Amino acid sequence: QKEVEQNSGPLSVPEGAIASLNCTYSDRGSQSFFWYRQYSGKSPELIMFIYSNGDKEDGRFTAQLNKASQYVSLLIRDSQPSDSATYLCAVNFFSPGSARQLTFGSGTQLTVLP
Amino acid sequence: KAGVTQTPRYLIKTRGQQVTLSCSPISGHRSVSWYQQTPGQGLQFLFEYFSETQRNKGNFPGRFSGRQFSNSRSEMNVSTLELGDSALYLCASSLELEDTQYFGPGTRLTVL
Repeated sequence: QKEVEQNSGPLSVPEGAIASLNCTYSDRGSQSFFWYRQYSGKSPELIMFIYSNGDKEDGRFTAQLNKASQYVSLLIRDSQPSDSATYLCAVNFFSPGSARQLTFGSGTQLTVLP
Repeated sequence: KAGVTQTPRYLIKTRGQQVTLSCSPISGHRSVSWYQQTPGQGLQFLFEYFSETQRNKGNFPGRFSGRQFSNSRSEMNVSTLELGDSALYLCASSLELEDTQYFGPGTRLTVL
């Protein structure tokens, strides 16, 4: 069973702080990792993807990947109330003889307090 | 470029009926995946289509089926609806099979 685990939260941070969201996955062979943001009543929206170990930065967002520890995280700097949403970690799993299956964690609900 | 579109956006059905949902991918995208999202189970993978062929299937009963047309548009069908099928059904498209997926707005299905 391929699994993606996230701390469901809720996570509250004050405006301007750094929000740290964490995710672990079960399959050591996984190659691609994604963070999606989902506002209440809306569909998931891609924030970032990361394939290689290390950090990847895009504006206020930084994704961090450690394949040895099977751990991926998302940092949001200078958090804004508009960042309040559920953040979904997703991992592409591959099974022998089968195509990829994008598996999602249960999501972390983030609230940024003004 | 227009995003993924899904129709209808909202649907109310009764138990035992069947339903067909439609998804048009981003122009040029050849892969379409379907997901079911419920508060209790989260986002669960239903199936993925590429070049009109089902490439992978999640752990759902045979009542859930789908197809993809030559223009990459996809439909999913749920027969003999059950109350537990009430969910947000999301379609996502990607350029190729292993590429990043982009989601449509979803179809909210309510089964009474």
